[in-house]
Amino acid sequence: DAGVIQSPRHEVTEMGQEVTLRCKPISGHNSLFWYRQTMMRGLELLIYFNNNVPIDDSGMPEDRFSAKMPNASFSTLKIQPSEPRDSAVYFCASSLRTGSYEQYFGPGTRLTVT
Amino acid sequence: AQTVTQSQPEMSVQEAETVTLSCTYDTSENNYYLFWYKQPPSRQMILVIRQEAYKQQNATENRFSVNFQKAAKSFSLKISDSQLGDTAMYFCAFMKGGNTGTASKLTFGTGTRLQVTL
Repeated sequence: DAGVIQSPRHEVTEMGQEVTLRCKPISGHNSLFWYRQTMMRGLELLIYFNNNVPIDDSGMPEDRFSAKMPNASFSTLKIQPSEPRDSAVYFCASSLRTGSYEQYFGPGTRLTVT
Repeated sequence: AQTVTQSQPEMSVQEAETVTLSCTYDTSENNYYLFWYKQPPSRQMILVIRQEAYKQQNATENRFSVNFQKAAKSFSLKISDSQLGDTAMYFCAFMKGGNTGTASKLTFGTGTRLQVTL
């Protein structure tokens, strides 16, 4: 089975530009999580969905960040406009709502905003 | 709110030896799960081991085992017969147990960088 798929793997953009990160969860998983990893703040949750419905978006830094999950197999995280402090690795993870709750992570997207 | 503390920023162990990574957490919840994730230089987050708080028996996965002390809120990871491929960042993580069928977020510690040497 394919794991969690994220694209792009690397993104370099200029300040002020729009950035869209994409995630395809493991088939059959119905919970999806977006995390951000930085040296200063470590790994932190941005938002998560259960059955495509946003449950907790308290980690979204500000209105420049938005996330959608239009169906069970696709999610996007958008930053508009981007700023240098958004530079980080963004991980998507998925899990089953029931059972072991183990979260499986994608390879991450390394975002650099210049 | 839950917090997870890893007090060892870096550790080193020789190949074939045993090493223990520490983790403590703070929560008022009674139903929760604890995890150890490994992040090698490739940056992929890999689940190493999981422990349910309601289980008294310590979890074991091959060379990896935990020492779960619920009263002390401690959750250490023991790696036996260390291998060069174990070199990585190790993160301890906490998940609150939700209502039946409800997944929840992970709260991570700051990580311990483990170096396995020859």
